[in-house]
Amino acid sequence: SQTIHQWPATLVQPVGSPLSLECTVEGTSNPNLYWYRQAAGRGLQLLFYSVGIGQISSEVPQNLSASRPQDRQFILSSKKLLLSDSGFYLCAWQAESEQFFGPGTRLTVL
Amino acid sequence: GDSVTQMEGPVTLSEEAFLTINCTYTATGYPSLFWYVQYPGEGLQLLLKATKADDKGSNKGFEATYRKETTSFHLEKGSVQVSDSAVYFCALRASSGSARQLTFGSGTQLTVLP
Repeated sequence: SQTIHQWPATLVQPVGSPLSLECTVEGTSNPNLYWYRQAAGRGLQLLFYSVGIGQISSEVPQNLSASRPQDRQFILSSKKLLLSDSGFYLCAWQAESEQFFGPGTRLTVL
Repeated sequence: GDSVTQMEGPVTLSEEAFLTINCTYTATGYPSLFWYVQYPGEGLQLLLKATKADDKGSNKGFEATYRKETTSFHLEKGSVQVSDSAVYFCALRASSGSARQLTFGSGTQLTVLP
């Protein structure tokens, strides 16, 4: 069966520090992969999606970037975090008609 | 573009009360519709889905019917439990497009009191 992992689960970082969040998927090949952000008390915002290795589409201009170095690995990065980057980051993969979500990473920028 | 409008929360109900969370959408063609649930501190889980008009999705006592004439997909449950307390997201997936990503509503926080 397919599973999706995210780490770390929680992260507290100072403003201006770099960021790297990792997402990996098991049990499937060539999945579409997604990064979402959920700010406190708000809905989900799609940040990036990828349909294959090295292929990244950005939905909103921002301080973050994404990379897909391997088929089942999706990384969310920042060179310098902002306070507004705080939130709950969710990775997802898509199979047929539905998306499956990882457990999320809670990022607090101080 | 595609959009989903969801009933604003928070919603607070007593145990065994009837639940309705409204969801309407705007999309071209024939999107698929979903309800996701997010329990405290966790990621999203698919609750139910419907892929064509008049389909009814159901799971764990929750139901939603894909109404194309009213562009709606309202979530209902006849008798809620404390364990149903969570945030509920309505979402659609476009019928065409390269990545066919989901468009989510803003979420509705449900609290069920014993």
